[in-house]
Amino acid sequence: EPEVTQTPSHQVTQMGQEVILRCVPISNHLYFYWYRQILGQKVEFLVSFYNNEISEKSEIFDDQFSVERPDGSNFTLKIRSTKLEDSAMYFCASSDQRVSSTDTQYFGPGTRLTVL
Amino acid sequence: AQTVTQSQPEMSVQEAETVTLSCTYDTSESDYYLFWYKQPPSRQMILVIRQEAYKQQNATENRFSVNFQKAAKSFSLKISDSQLGDAAMYFCAYKEGNDYKLSFGAGTTVTVRA
Repeated sequence: EPEVTQTPSHQVTQMGQEVILRCVPISNHLYFYWYRQILGQKVEFLVSFYNNEISEKSEIFDDQFSVERPDGSNFTLKIRSTKLEDSAMYFCASSDQRVSSTDTQYFGPGTRLTVL
Repeated sequence: AQTVTQSQPEMSVQEAETVTLSCTYDTSESDYYLFWYKQPPSRQMILVIRQEAYKQQNATENRFSVNFQKAAKSFSLKISDSQLGDAAMYFCAYKEGNDYKLSFGAGTTVTVRA
């Protein structure tokens, strides 16, 4: 069964450093998402991406964040200058939604980002 | 912004018994979708069940079923014949019909006693 994959599983970085989190969505999916979950808190939406542009973003997704689909398979989240409060689990998701906006989002296993 | 509330931080159930997880949501929309996701210790979120708001019939998926009360804005999950593998955090999530993002509740941790 196709699944969303994410690398690395755990990333440790120093405050102020740039990090890139990578995701490979399910191959025939067209919509891609990033969510984050700070330890002990709710899963929060960051951004959705379709047709090579951001379709929606939350207020969390400020200028420090960017997303990119550099090729036909990868979907990346870049944090330019990490802060301590960026420490969280980051989940990538993808969905098909060819017909309507009802389709299910399938999640990857997550990348745990630790900012020291 | 839509609010999803899960009022039970933790629930415990005996193996083979039934447990019901509650979820309420706040919306003024008529076109929306509701989901239950399971997050086991491995942390990957797995879809358990989904419900379209326009459907009156409650969704079922094997041992998992929902009680969708649209007027009350309630969407509870029932796990029947609980198994040890059901132990996980369960998240209720909401999505508007033409929107992209999922809004999640705080989650309910389910433990299954052998």
